[in-house]
Amino acid sequence: DAGVTQSPTHLIKTRGQQVTLRCSPKSGHDTVSWYQQALGQGPQFIFQYYEEEERQRGNFPDRFSGHQFPNYSSELNVNALLLGDSALYLCASSSLGSQGYGYTFGSGTRLTVV
Amino acid sequence: AQRVTQPEKLLSVFKGAPVELKCNYSYSGSPELFWYVQYSRQRLQLLLRHISRESIKGFTADLNKGETSFHLKKPFAQEEDSAMYYCALSGGSIQGAQKLVFGQGTRLTINP
Repeated sequence: DAGVTQSPTHLIKTRGQQVTLRCSPKSGHDTVSWYQQALGQGPQFIFQYYEEEERQRGNFPDRFSGHQFPNYSSELNVNALLLGDSALYLCASSSLGSQGYGYTFGSGTRLTVV
Repeated sequence: AQRVTQPEKLLSVFKGAPVELKCNYSYSGSPELFWYVQYSRQRLQLLLRHISRESIKGFTADLNKGETSFHLKKPFAQEEDSAMYYCALSGGSIQGAQKLVFGQGTRLTINP
């Protein structure tokens, strides 16, 4: 089992551009959560997807959007990139009802906005 | 508001010495508390959770609701304990898998 797979591993974008990050959950997991981790900070919850719907959302602007596909994989889209969006983006998968201990994290995508 | 505070960004102790990583939280209700760890070049992974009341790799953590703390302790530190440690709180979900609120982390270094 490959666990949670994220792609790409690194990405450099220019201010104002749009970016799409991808996540494949661990086998058997149906829920995907996205976190943003700025340098020197803990991960911050962006949103969570289950049954192809956004179930919860953190304090992030509408420029951040997502999608979940029927095979449970997920995408995170960020529009109109700002320098402050530079961070490590983590995907975590779980089974609904597993609570915080059921999370499996990916290695993350390092996004740099220049 | 849900908040997790880890007052120490860096903590350095000698091998064999006791370790305590501090965590305080703010939550109106009954949260679930966790410690996550990230070893060098590895993914973030769960170390322990307060509900299980277990010891993992010699680490324990007790939830003190009066002081709203969940400090992580180990009586005798080992070099392989060097890592980034995050305290996290779970709560506030309408149902299902709960979101995690993380502290900013403490980098623990065990000196030989």
